[in-house]
Amino acid sequence: DAGITQSPRHKVTETGTPVTLRCHQTENHRYMYWYRQDPGHGLRLIHYSYGVKDTDKGEVSDGYSVSRSKTEDFLLTLESATSSQTSVYFCATTGGGGTEAFFGQGTRLTVV
Amino acid sequence: GNSVTQMEGPVTLSEEAFLTINCTYTATGYPSLFWYVQYPGEGLQLLLKATKADDKGSNKGFEATYRKETTSFHLEKGSVQVSDSAVYFCALGGSTLGRLYFGRGTQLTVWP
Repeated sequence: DAGITQSPRHKVTETGTPVTLRCHQTENHRYMYWYRQDPGHGLRLIHYSYGVKDTDKGEVSDGYSVSRSKTEDFLLTLESATSSQTSVYFCATTGGGGTEAFFGQGTRLTVV
Repeated sequence: GNSVTQMEGPVTLSEEAFLTINCTYTATGYPSLFWYVQYPGEGLQLLLKATKADDKGSNKGFEATYRKETTSFHLEKGSVQVSDSAVYFCALGGSTLGRLYFGRGTQLTVWP
């Protein structure tokens, strides 16, 4: 199995607080992604990275920022959490070139 | 641009029934196509893939053929089992900057 680890796996936080989710990979993959999954919406891309310090916005990036200071780590930050950001967040990686993606186990975030 | 359109669910079948989940795509260039499966409480995992036109991907009794002329990649299984109950995602990869494009997912429930 690909080594994609998300932390934390579960988090409850209050509205207005900052939250950082971490994705760690041991596959040396170039590309990393953050998705959110909500009922009726499938997977929606938040941000992605195509190399160290190279990131770009996805379709639902408002309220989120990311950082990638080394190949193995991709951080997702909610600067000021809102209830609309309650969701399950998935990290994924690929080596590019049309190869398959590997997913983490997900982080369930609840904003109260 | 690139996009994936997937049959809306939910799909409910009896055990041993035939399954088809439709997937069509729009793409520039020569994408790879994938089917992913998500079991409850887990991340997505690759079910099968095809990297060029007329390729057939297969795994665990599931099959899908990359049809460039109809821009389709329909998932089929001849005899479903209760253990196949899950959410299935069609996806497109191999684009510039490694972006992946997912369909909205189809919930499959198989009854004994």
